[in-house]
Amino acid sequence: DQQVKQNSPSLSVQEGRISILNCDYTNSMFDYFLWYKKYPAEGPTFLISISSIKDKNEDGRFTVFLNKSAKHLSLHIVPSQPGDSAVYFCAASGLSGNTPLVFGKGTRLSVIA
Amino acid sequence: EAQVTQNPRYLITVTGKKLTVTCSQNMNHEYMSWYRQDPGLGLRQIYYSMNVEVTDKGDVPEGYKVSRKEKRNFPLILESPSPNQTSLYFCASSRFGGGPGANVLTFGAGSRLTVL
Repeated sequence: DQQVKQNSPSLSVQEGRISILNCDYTNSMFDYFLWYKKYPAEGPTFLISISSIKDKNEDGRFTVFLNKSAKHLSLHIVPSQPGDSAVYFCAASGLSGNTPLVFGKGTRLSVIA
Repeated sequence: EAQVTQNPRYLITVTGKKLTVTCSQNMNHEYMSWYRQDPGLGLRQIYYSMNVEVTDKGDVPEGYKVSRKEKRNFPLILESPSPNQTSLYFCASSRFGGGPGANVLTFGAGSRLTVL
């Protein structure tokens, strides 16, 4: 049973436009959510997180939105740049970060110049 | 520099030949974990450890062993590797205990293992 789902395996966006990556979760005990970015031949790196007490967190070009009632979160990248091309993993944990992270399968973003 | 170091980065081996992938972190993190990444399956947790001498199975522990004798090291052991363990492996660590920044995993660069 997959608790964190990223239903789009891939996404292509033109440079300068908005990229929207989506993530759904099923476990209502999850209260802390993170996005990781992974380039080929490197380990995933932390990008941005959000706690369930918030519905939005912003860091430069990256914004994560959380809709708790829908058990849905999304990552917006504006404007998208070619260097953003990578695999993005959504992850979730419960008890305010005191349980192991559960990862989605990832979405491959391609930003076309 | 704060980092997670895993070795070897690349390894080709044969079925049944025991191997160990080492993992070390220099951040004094309590929590360490091993993941494997396979096409279409994302990151799947193999084993994790919340502190020294405390280890637990993740989602796909079969065929693997781990140990946590020291806080900084968390080796992954394949006693009798099989071709279905051909994969890209990542070690990761974080501090634990909740609060801001907890549970933000720092990953190693990965170890690509091929079992023939």
